[in-house]
Amino acid sequence: ETGVTQTPRHLVMGMTNKKSLKCEQHLGHNAMYWYKQSAKKPLELMFVYNFKEQTENNSVPSRFSPECPNSSHLFLHLHTLQPEDSALYLCASSQEGTGAGTEAFFGQGTRLTVV
Amino acid sequence: AQSVTQLGSHVSVSEGALVLLRCNYSSSVPPYLFWYVQYPNQGLQLLLKYTSAATLVKGINGFEAEFKKSETSFHLTKPSAHMSDAAEYFCAVSDRTSGTYKYIFGTGTRLKVLA
Repeated sequence: ETGVTQTPRHLVMGMTNKKSLKCEQHLGHNAMYWYKQSAKKPLELMFVYNFKEQTENNSVPSRFSPECPNSSHLFLHLHTLQPEDSALYLCASSQEGTGAGTEAFFGQGTRLTVV
Repeated sequence: AQSVTQLGSHVSVSEGALVLLRCNYSSSVPPYLFWYVQYPNQGLQLLLKYTSAATLVKGINGFEAEFKKSETSFHLTKPSAHMSDAAEYFCAVSDRTSGTYKYIFGTGTRLKVLA
């Protein structure tokens, strides 16, 4: 596989459930990102990881817990979510260290519905 | 912090007509700018990027954008719209804080192509 792969593509969960989103990049990049895309809202940057270290947490509620075990994998653990957390969650990666002109590569996203 | 503003959340053009999607940036330093496209329930795909090498940037699918410092703009154009161009388009800027580049997106412009 190539590029950035996200699983699952769709997820429906209850407010008391615990679930995880997975992201894997096959590009050899060292930076990974979680974005949230809600209807009628701009893309919101949630977390940034650089060489497995979290470098940004954009005031995300603690019911979202990221994990980056290595530079190729990124998880988003979810628990006790609210209906307003329903959104498309996008993972991206980039190659840090090659300058600000390098672009981010995105996965296809996980469509999350909280019921 | 750097930011981008996209004017017009919805744009409609006839098939074969010129496409013009507007983006203005706010940056105190030379910016690195990007245009992405998103098809329904998909991730974001890079169309083109500006990294100061040339002010007129050509991208995929016949799109191009011109960086104009005097107008702080980076508008996206395509001479002749195709039905397959119907999608949502995002302008983005890369910003570095906390040691890692991150990508800040505009609110998006949904392009509709009329037959």
